[in-house]
Amino acid sequence: KQEVTQIPAALSVPEGENLVLNCSFTDSAIYNLQWFRQDPGKGLTSLLLIQSSQREQTSGRLNASLDKSSGRSTLYIAASQPGDSATYLCAVSSSYGKLTFGQGTILTVHP
Amino acid sequence: ETGVTQSPTHLIKTRGQQVTLRCSSQSGHNTVSWYQQALGQGPQFIFQYYREEENGRGNFPPRFSGLQLPNYSSELNVNALELDDSALYLCASSSQTGTDTQYFGPGTRLTVL
Repeated sequence: KQEVTQIPAALSVPEGENLVLNCSFTDSAIYNLQWFRQDPGKGLTSLLLIQSSQREQTSGRLNASLDKSSGRSTLYIAASQPGDSATYLCAVSSSYGKLTFGQGTILTVHP
Repeated sequence: ETGVTQSPTHLIKTRGQQVTLRCSSQSGHNTVSWYQQALGQGPQFIFQYYREEENGRGNFPPRFSGLQLPNYSSELNVNALELDDSALYLCASSSQTGTDTQYFGPGTRLTVL
């Protein structure tokens, strides 16, 4: 059974800091890994998708890496801003697209 | 803006009642998945439909059922509601199973009293 763990559970940083969110999964037989952002009470916004054959993806200030063999992914956020405050979720995909999620990291960026 | 819409936004029901939640996928997406997200938790997979057929199911009882219609709409039905069914229900659509980005709707907040 696939299990996804995210560390830390919560993170509070001052504006401008670079930060790293961690995600680990127990079964390396994944098709892809996605990072999502969720604002309170809202749906999920896809940030980055990394296919199992890829090592990293970048979008603006975000960079996600994937080490499938060790079951780890990181999301790097450069020069954090208060607008980045949200819950960040990682999810791994099975062969038919079932997503298994971690519990999320609650990020607070204070001015 | 993903193009995935859900209705209603909020819903209050009492134990034992039945509820139907609706989702409209992005045009061209033939796969829709439903997830349940309890407060403070990550979403849990309920089931997936691909071209109107159930294509996978998570660890949810049979009182959770669904369907997908040819016009890119989908429904989640829950019978005999229990207090623990209170959650945010999310649908997600994609153009392919497995490898494609899944786009989520804003969710329906269900409260069971």
